[in-house]
Amino acid sequence: SQKIEQNSEALNIQEGKTATLTCNYTNYSPAYLQWYRQDPGRGPVFLLLIRENEKEKRKERLKVTFDTTLKQSLFHITASQPADSATYLCALRMDSSYKLIFGSGTRLLVRP
Amino acid sequence: GAVVSQHPSRVICKSGTSVKIECRSLDFQATTMFWYRQFPKQSLMLMATSNEGSKATYEQGVEKDKFLINHASLTLSTLTVTSAHPEDSSFYICSARESGFGGDEQFFGPGTRLTVL
Repeated sequence: SQKIEQNSEALNIQEGKTATLTCNYTNYSPAYLQWYRQDPGRGPVFLLLIRENEKEKRKERLKVTFDTTLKQSLFHITASQPADSATYLCALRMDSSYKLIFGSGTRLLVRP
Repeated sequence: GAVVSQHPSRVICKSGTSVKIECRSLDFQATTMFWYRQFPKQSLMLMATSNEGSKATYEQGVEKDKFLINHASLTLSTLTVTSAHPEDSSFYICSARESGFGGDEQFFGPGTRLTVL
């Protein structure tokens, strides 16, 4: 069966440390993988997109890696801040249709 | 940046009534909008793809006669939950992609919390 798995347990880290979140998928062949931030009671906010032929993408304190052999993406936030506390969702896009398939998200808590 | 709004943000209704949710792209035109549903502590589930001027495309298992979608203009799509029941209570979120723009970003609305009593 097709699955997208993100750690269901919250990730609790100290301010200033690097947060690493994992997204694993099975029985999909996405052309793109995207990461979103979602705050409670709000819609998702786009963070980064990485294509299947890209290994790594960076944007300010954010870094995403994409390993199509392992079927895994890692999402890193360096120098984390309490304001980074939120739920982070990965989403797969299969093709040019722009339809997204979301994981259930991992909640990140950054302690001051 | 591009902004998508939803109205209302919250709605409480009685079982059996119909509820309309609006999704608007405020500063761009959107040929395609998407409707998602999110239950507590679960992922967003795509319900349907809304195309301006044509019929919506529904995902497997989503009843098109229950969830009516109208995309009458390039800036507005509406979702009507007909004969709502308590199990329809959920967080409904729309997203939009800018027409003619080759970028990959989708812009999401703030969501509508529907509670059916």
